[in-house]
Amino acid sequence: DGGITQSPKYLFRKEGQNVTLSCEQNLNHDAMYWYRQDPGQGLRLIYYSQIVNDFQKGDIAEGYSVSREKKESFPLTVTSAQKNPTAFYLCASRRREVHTGELFFGEGSRLTVL
Amino acid sequence: DQQVKQNSPSLSVQEGRISILNCDYTNSMFDYFLWYKKYPAEGPTFLISISSIKDKNEDGRFTVFLNKSAKHLSLHIVPSQPGDSAVYFCAASAATGGFKTIFGAGTRLFVKA
Repeated sequence: DGGITQSPKYLFRKEGQNVTLSCEQNLNHDAMYWYRQDPGQGLRLIYYSQIVNDFQKGDIAEGYSVSREKKESFPLTVTSAQKNPTAFYLCASRRREVHTGELFFGEGSRLTVL
Repeated sequence: DQQVKQNSPSLSVQEGRISILNCDYTNSMFDYFLWYKKYPAEGPTFLISISSIKDKNEDGRFTVFLNKSAKHLSLHIVPSQPGDSAVYFCAASAATGGFKTIFGAGTRLFVKA
């Protein structure tokens, strides 16, 4: 079955630690995205990548970093510089040929900072 | 600066009746508007979309209406079913800049049996 796999589903981190959230897709999609959801708020864009070895900052990129070395993978690192990292993180992908901009989402990763 | 706004945090509807979810936007450059449905602890799933050059798109029980002059769109669900209870996100995307998609804050729909 094609889809997007995010891991881990739940993650706990101590303050000052970097953590990396994994996102893998086997949909052969070119574009991939990372969003963050906080309670009562919509999804806010952190980073996105349209092709391998290229990515752009979204609206809230500070304290995060990404890489796109393979088409299938778009890992997100939450660094110690991110002041409020506790949130639900969603990875998504999109077929470049589909011009509606429809996104396919993973199940999400919930990060809690202790 | 919220480019996409959903002003109603929640909506309660009786089963069988119509649910109307509203969304306003500020940027005239959006090419497509989309609605996503989300259950707790899951990723959103795509529901229906509409091009900025159209004013209506229908898919089964779901219809999206777009009023460009008012920068307003709405999602109609008829008839509403208990399984429709979820959070609905309005989103807008622009082809320029790699379809950077902006989401509203969401509206939680409760459909009562």
